[in-house]
Amino acid sequence: AQSVTQLDSHVSVSEGTPVLLRCNYSSSYSPSLFWYVQHPNKGLQLLLKYTSAATLVKGINGFEAEFKKSETSFHLTKPSAHMSDAAEYFCVVSVLNFGNEKLTFGTGTRLTIIP
Amino acid sequence: KAGVTQTPRYLIKTRGQQVTLSCSPISGHRSVSWYQQTPGQGLQFLFEYFSETQRNKGNFPGRFSGRQFSNSRSEMNVSTLELGDSALYLCASSLTQGSGEAFFGQGTRLTVV
Repeated sequence: AQSVTQLDSHVSVSEGTPVLLRCNYSSSYSPSLFWYVQHPNKGLQLLLKYTSAATLVKGINGFEAEFKKSETSFHLTKPSAHMSDAAEYFCVVSVLNFGNEKLTFGTGTRLTIIP
Repeated sequence: KAGVTQTPRYLIKTRGQQVTLSCSPISGHRSVSWYQQTPGQGLQFLFEYFSETQRNKGNFPGRFSGRQFSNSRSEMNVSTLELGDSALYLCASSLTQGSGEAFFGQGTRLTVV
């Protein structure tokens, strides 16, 4: 079984300060991990993905995430928040089993940027 | 290239009715997945289709069904609608199974009254 836990349902940061969105995962197999972003009234967009290559993954819009197997974590960070980063962020774990893949989504973290 | 297209964008139905939602994946993508998003339950996986075959199914009742056509377009159907079926239904397409990189449509907002 696989699961993902987003530790904060809501995070507020000031514009220009660092962003940290936390995610822990659980998986019986070697997982692939993703972060998706959803802006209001929009579909989800892939920010970045980890698929057992480099543990530090760089994504779009200045975001990056580090896979830490010992801590079963995949936290999302950005050095300096921008107003356009305000959105909901989803951590996702994917397991490919006998050719079938299943994406399991976290409950989401709403990021608010304070001007 | 065109993204994932879902139609209609908004829908209002009455309890007991049925509804069909449509999803056109990105050209060349053969895998289509459906998700239900609600404030209380978050994003929940409904099912995945690849090459016209259902490959994976979530924990939803049999009232929820889907299919995929030879051109990879997919439809999902919900019969005997309940108030709790009100949600944003998202479709995602992938190039192949197992890529993990899904491209999402903007969703269909279904309201059941």
